[in-house]
Amino acid sequence: RKEVEQDPGPFNVPEGATVAFNCTYSNSASQSFFWYRQDCRKEPKLLMSVYSSGNEDGRFTAQLNRASQYISLLIRDSKLSDSATYLCAVNPTSGTYKYIFGTGTRLKVLA
Amino acid sequence: DAGITQSPRHKVTETGTPVTLRCHQTENHRYMYWYRQDPGHGLRLIHYSYGVKDTDKGEVSDGYSVSRSKTEDFLLTLESATSSQTSVYFCAMGRNQETQYFGPGTRLLVL
Repeated sequence: RKEVEQDPGPFNVPEGATVAFNCTYSNSASQSFFWYRQDCRKEPKLLMSVYSSGNEDGRFTAQLNRASQYISLLIRDSKLSDSATYLCAVNPTSGTYKYIFGTGTRLKVLA
Repeated sequence: DAGITQSPRHKVTETGTPVTLRCHQTENHRYMYWYRQDPGHGLRLIHYSYGVKDTDKGEVSDGYSVSRSKTEDFLLTLESATSSQTSVYFCAMGRNQETQYFGPGTRLLVL
């Protein structure tokens, strides 16, 4: 089993739809969690951190479920510009810098 | 966004040739990272640095070395390039252990 797993997609959704992605992790001691966005042939960009209490930034909501060992990203009112690949990142060990990235979930928002 | 740059942006080289990639940041961030990104594998950590002259290995460090003689520069060297090192290489920086900001990437082709 991979340490961090994501459904590769693509998720094809119409504009205005709500879409959610999950990212599962295998190490129950994992401490820090993040969502990144990556456009085609571009660098990943930090989208948001995922806190135990959840995190919301405009149309984006991130949540952590420690019991089931996954994080989620919810996008409301999808825009064409949300089309990208969404990567999750997990720091499996506190005090280290060895982040593990998922392979990404591709989102296509259709007009 | 121009706080971190990579050079060269594209490189074609031959098997057995040494290659050095440069990452330069202007943000005075303590932490720097080198990743490679390949289809099906996502981003994988090669080496990271937590200060000048302080570096450590990541998940896929074999065949790579790094140096950090100044805060702003983090060099990645492929000692003797192989075709399996054909990839997109991303450098990242972070003010703390939590956040990472990526450079634009270097596309390396080893023939």
